[in-house]
Amino acid sequence: AQRVTQPEKLLSVFKGAPVELKCNYSYSGSPELFWYVQYSRQRLQLLLRHISRESIKGFTADLNKGETSFHLKKPFAQEEDSAMYYCALRDANTGNQFYFGTGTSLTVIP
Amino acid sequence: DTGVSQDPRHKITKRGQNVTFRCDPISEHNRLYWYRQTLGQGPEFLTYFQNEAQLEKSRLLSDRFSAERPKGSFSTLEIQRTEQGDSAMYLCASSPGLSGSYNEQFFGPGTRLTVL
Repeated sequence: AQRVTQPEKLLSVFKGAPVELKCNYSYSGSPELFWYVQYSRQRLQLLLRHISRESIKGFTADLNKGETSFHLKKPFAQEEDSAMYYCALRDANTGNQFYFGTGTSLTVIP
Repeated sequence: DTGVSQDPRHKITKRGQNVTFRCDPISEHNRLYWYRQTLGQGPEFLTYFQNEAQLEKSRLLSDRFSAERPKGSFSTLEIQRTEQGDSAMYLCASSPGLSGSYNEQFFGPGTRLTVL
């Protein structure tokens, strides 16, 4: 069963505009959610995780258990934000299985 | 230590052949993960090691796939009797594995397998 859904494969925004990358999940219990990013010709890397409640590179993500969502947001997009973004869920029941969404390719138009 | 390394970076093989990939994690990282990523999809979890012990395996991992981490350092992933459906990017990641907490996974560059 698919556990992480990213409904948008492609997303384009203009520089300076707000951006929101959607992520919905299905999971029983308390989920542990993450956003990973892959810049062009670079490795997949962690952007942020919900338990840290941190802002990284201006991005934030709030876990909404009622809507089972973990959307990634940034108020003012920058060209260097263009990348592939993956939402991921850690299955605490198994301990260390991670489930990734299909990813959203973000393009920030100058 | 420049991070997680994987070898080879690319592998082209004929259907039915066996292939083996290697992953060298960051030194002293005791957790090691293997993922498979096909075009248009996110990484799919395959298996996970804590030191040399293989603790979890996905149902995606058929009996043609086997992974080892004999000394708790580098790991190998072998695919026997490859099929065209095995064509994918195979990613390795490692994390420190401190007890009682999630640790950031550091990903390698991946091995791209093409089965003809």
